[in-house]
Amino acid sequence: NAGVTQTPKFRVLKTGQSMTLLCAQDMNHEYMYWYRQDPGMGLRLIHYSVGEGTTAKGEVPDGYNVSRLKKQNFLLGLESAAPSQTSVYFCASSYPPGAVLNTEAFFGQGTRLTVV
Amino acid sequence: GIQVEQSPPDLILQEGANSTLRCNFSDSVNNLQWFHQNPWGQLINLFYIPSGTKQNGRLSATTVATERYSLLYISSSQTTDSGVYFCAVGNTGGFKTIFGAGTRLFVKA
Repeated sequence: NAGVTQTPKFRVLKTGQSMTLLCAQDMNHEYMYWYRQDPGMGLRLIHYSVGEGTTAKGEVPDGYNVSRLKKQNFLLGLESAAPSQTSVYFCASSYPPGAVLNTEAFFGQGTRLTVV
Repeated sequence: GIQVEQSPPDLILQEGANSTLRCNFSDSVNNLQWFHQNPWGQLINLFYIPSGTKQNGRLSATTVATERYSLLYISSSQTTDSGVYFCAVGNTGGFKTIFGAGTRLFVKA
């Protein structure tokens, strides 16, 4: 049981380049999330999805786009990377609040992105 | 949206000491988790505890949902307990999990 898998684990981009981070989960969760974590801070929500084909903005959505074409995958895109997007990115998935007894969120290992 | 406040922000312990970490939240929740982020950045689920008390070895947690706080107890601390402890909450209205800023713990040998 792989849980939540993120690829890649590390990446260095030049300013202006684009890239896509992939998150895959095998727990049949409806909800998926992308967070970023900056040094010395907690995780901040970028975008989330409550089901296949749906996405919504979180706390810090600017500069990012997402897509949820398949239930098990949630993609995070950076169209034109900026140094301010240097961060560690975490993906998570969960059942919907109230749908089942346990709505625990499970996290991937993180992607360390540096934009130079 | 929900506000999550953790205290203390930093904590230094001598190995073997006990500690209590606190998480206050501003609205009712139906999802509360405690995580440990180790020095390599990995997030480890400690407890899923929207209410009540749970124990796992040297760690235990209590959530008093009606008073909007949760406590994480670490007994007989070890150097491997070092890292950052996060509280994260969510509710049906918000559909999302919000994190506190964390408590940074360092356990000295």
